[in-house]
Amino acid sequence: AQSVTQLDSHVSVSEGTPVLLRCNYSSSYSPSLFWYVQHPNKGLQLLLKYTSAATLVKGINGFEAEFKKSETSFHLTKPSAHMSDAAEYFCVGGTSYDKVIFGPGTSLSVIP
Amino acid sequence: NAGVMQNPRHLVRRRGQEARLRCSPMKGHSHVYWYRQLPEEGLKFMVYLQKENIIDESGMPKERFSAEFPKEGPSILRIQQVVRGDSAAYFCASSPDGTGIYEQYFGPGTRLTVT
Repeated sequence: AQSVTQLDSHVSVSEGTPVLLRCNYSSSYSPSLFWYVQHPNKGLQLLLKYTSAATLVKGINGFEAEFKKSETSFHLTKPSAHMSDAAEYFCVGGTSYDKVIFGPGTSLSVIP
Repeated sequence: NAGVMQNPRHLVRRRGQEARLRCSPMKGHSHVYWYRQLPEEGLKFMVYLQKENIIDESGMPKERFSAEFPKEGPSILRIQQVVRGDSAAYFCASSPDGTGIYEQYFGPGTRLTVT
């Protein structure tokens, strides 16, 4: 059975310091993996996606994620946090529109 | 681009009433998907529509639920005679073509509460 786990429900970082949001998945076969961000009262915005072309995926706003099959992980990173990065982040796995699994979300706070 | 719009954001209905949820896709997107998130559960696919066509409704409950995406206007998810078990967050997503999950953009969701 497929599952997506986000290990931290809340992460707090200081502005200018690195961001790490963790995601692990389990699947009987390699899924496509995505990171979405949701700002308050906004829709989910796609940050980046992994579709087996390259294990290191670069997304928008300086975010990137690395797919590690041996660790079944797809952690999201950013070298330097900005205040505007404060939001809810969702790791998503799936193989098609009808087989989409959302992680529970990680709330990122950025301290000035 | 305003993104995917859903309204209302919160909807309260009494048992037996009808609920209408609206989804306006991103500009230029002609594919719409509806998902439901029940409490303590992940998103579950309900229906996939193109303009004036239902492509896949395999995730829709057989009774009381219907969806449409007319040529003009938003996509509508309609729930007739709501029951408490319909209380959930309903999300819609849109994509520019049939690539679905690979190019989906989600709306903020509508939280339906049935009292």
